[in-house]
Amino acid sequence: DVQLIHSGAEVKKPGESLKISCEASGYVFSSYWLAWVRQTPGKGLEWMGIIYPYDSETQYSLSFEGQVSFSADLSTRTAFLQFHGLKASDTGIYFCARRVGGSNRYYFDSWGQGTLVTVSS
Amino acid sequence: SYVVSQPPSLSVAPRQAARFTCGGHNIGSKNVHWYQQKPGQAPVLVIFEDTARPSGIPDRFSGFNSGNMATLTISEVEAGDEADYYCQVWDIKTDHGVFGGGTKLTVL
Repeated sequence: DVQLIHSGAEVKKPGESLKISCEASGYVFSSYWLAWVRQTPGKGLEWMGIIYPYDSETQYSLSFEGQVSFSADLSTRTAFLQFHGLKASDTGIYFCARRVGGSNRYYFDSWGQGTLVTVSS
Repeated sequence: SYVVSQPPSLSVAPRQAARFTCGGHNIGSKNVHWYQQKPGQAPVLVIFEDTARPSGIPDRFSGFNSGNMATLTISEVEAGDEADYYCQVWDIKTDHGVFGGGTKLTVL
C-alpha cells in the first residue's frame, strides 16, 4: 500500500526557518510527482507546487514561489518542504500528496496525514 | 489562472441525495476529481476523471461533468458522509493544480 508519512507538528516564531518532511513507501518514489498542499485554519486546500523526486524538478504556485523550497532524497524516499522566514500567516496544515493520471487529468490518489505548523511570537 | 467555484455548504437529510456542484468556464473540457475530508483527517479521493471511483469507495458516490458544471452526487446520505468535499482540476495553461473552496456537508 502507498503510504506518505509526515514529520511531527512544529511550533515556530516569525522569521525562523523550518523544514518538514514526507516519507514515502509502497511505490517507486522516484517515478511519481509529489505535490504539497496547504490548508489554513478553517479554510480549504491550496496547491503550493510539486516536485519530481527523480531529478528534483520543481514547479511552484506563484503564491508560494520564493517563500518555500521543495527537495527530495531518493536514498530515504523522503520529500521536504522548506520555509524561508516564517510568518504568522504560514500557520496551517501541510499535506504531501502523490500525483497520478496524465496530461490534463492529473489528480492526487494518496495523501499524507499532514504536518501542523504553528507560527506565533 | 483557472478558477473553480463551490458553494460553501449543503445540508441534506439522511437517506436523501446530496448533490455537490463545481463550476468553472468550460469545465466539461477538463477532468474533475473529488476529495472527501473529514475533520482532523487528510483528504481522500472519492471520484477521479469525472466519473471513476477508486477501489473502496461505495457506489453511492457518482460524478458527472458537462458544460460549465461538474457534480458529485452521494445517493442515500449517511451520517458518516459528513465532511468537506473539494473538487480539483489541472490547469494545463499554468501546469498547476486547482482546488475549489470546498463544500461542507451537514447531515440533518
